[in-house]
Amino acid sequence: DGGITQSPKYLFRKEGQNVTLSCEQNLNHDAMYWYRQDPGQGLRLIYYSQIVNDFQKGDIAEGYSVSREKKESFPLTVTSAQKNPTAFYLCASRLGGNTGELFFGEGSRLTVL
Amino acid sequence: AQSVTQLGSHVSVSEGALVLLRCNYSSSVPPYLFWYVQYPNQGLQLLLKYTSAATLVKGINGFEAEFKKSETSFHLTKPSAHMSDAAEYFCAVSEGGGSNYKLTFGKGTLLTVNP
Repeated sequence: DGGITQSPKYLFRKEGQNVTLSCEQNLNHDAMYWYRQDPGQGLRLIYYSQIVNDFQKGDIAEGYSVSREKKESFPLTVTSAQKNPTAFYLCASRLGGNTGELFFGEGSRLTVL
Repeated sequence: AQSVTQLGSHVSVSEGALVLLRCNYSSSVPPYLFWYVQYPNQGLQLLLKYTSAATLVKGINGFEAEFKKSETSFHLTKPSAHMSDAAEYFCAVSEGGGSNYKLTFGKGTLLTVNP
């Protein structure tokens, strides 16, 4: 079945450690996105990428980094510079072009102790 | 930048009652509009989308939404609520094009369905 796989589902880390969240899609979509979700704040865009080896900052990119070396993969690194990293992280993909909905993965919940 | 306002962070209805979740957007140019549903600890699932065709859009699970340009609104309705509709609902609007295409989301409305 085609879809978006995020791993791990749950992750615990100590403060000051970098963490990488995986996102893989087998939908052959061009575009991929990372959102952060906090209670009562909706989804906020961290980074997005429309093609391989290119990505743009979203509204809350500080303290995060991404790479897009392959079409199907868009990993997100939460660095120690991110002041409040504990959150639910959602990866999404889109076919491409100028329209279209986003398809979401099941999310990764990061807790920093 | 686009903004999306969802009136009411929490809506409570009785089973069988009408569901109305409100969404207003800020753009002066009609964008593409979407409603998503999220169950606890899961990703978002698309309910329906408006892409400049019919203004009344029908989605999954009996939901529909009407695009009203004059009111910059895209409210979500369902004639009769079911217990399984209890979830969080997000309205989203498109922004940009090509390499800058992205969705901006509202803060969500938690729907509770009482027996």
